[in-house]
Amino acid sequence: DSGVTQTPKHLITATGQRVTLRCSPRSGDLSVYWYQQSLDQGLQFLIQYYNGEERAKGNILERFSAQQFPDLHSELNLSSLELGDSALYFCASSAADRGFYGYTFGSGTRLTVV
Amino acid sequence: GQQVMQIPQYQHVQEGEDFTTYCNSSTTLSNIQWYKQRPGGHPVFLIQLVKSGEVKKQKRLTFQFGEAKKNSSLHITATQTTDVGTYFCAGQASGTYKYIFGTGTRLKVLA
Repeated sequence: DSGVTQTPKHLITATGQRVTLRCSPRSGDLSVYWYQQSLDQGLQFLIQYYNGEERAKGNILERFSAQQFPDLHSELNLSSLELGDSALYFCASSAADRGFYGYTFGSGTRLTVV
Repeated sequence: GQQVMQIPQYQHVQEGEDFTTYCNSSTTLSNIQWYKQRPGGHPVFLIQLVKSGEVKKQKRLTFQFGEAKKNSSLHITATQTTDVGTYFCAGQASGTYKYIFGTGTRLKVLA
């Protein structure tokens, strides 16, 4: 157990639907990062939050949005889902806003769009 | 934009052979991190390199950061079946918050 909790672990939904992925960072970590990993692919950075504020943005589609709440948990919202959105979505956390001491990853949410 | 490439993409080795993966960035990095992702698992932080020319060792793993801080390597001596997985480098460009992950090298070790 890395200390980063992601729910749900698996999600199957239909095209056009909307889903919400949830992440609770490791205790004491203020930064949350979201990554997308497609089958046999690398890790694509989506977005970072630090202490409730958006800190950095990567290749996040307009159909996707995220937020970090006062209790520091974060949610990634994916809407108008397409088949190509099927992937493993990882959340990671770090103590500092720059991830200087490394990221701690959760076990991921596997999203399947059918 | 910043790109981080890794070679090779795949590597099969016999148990006991050495293995090296190389990471190259299009821009100068302030620091670089390495992660290992076991099949079906999540990335796990291995190490961070900050200084130009820095070399760090963890048992059979040796990590190097290039003098120009644009490349890095991970070398595993005498691979074991437990080394199986995908190794990612992640570089942070100077003046930015985000780390860009490399494309990864998938290592298979044949017993």
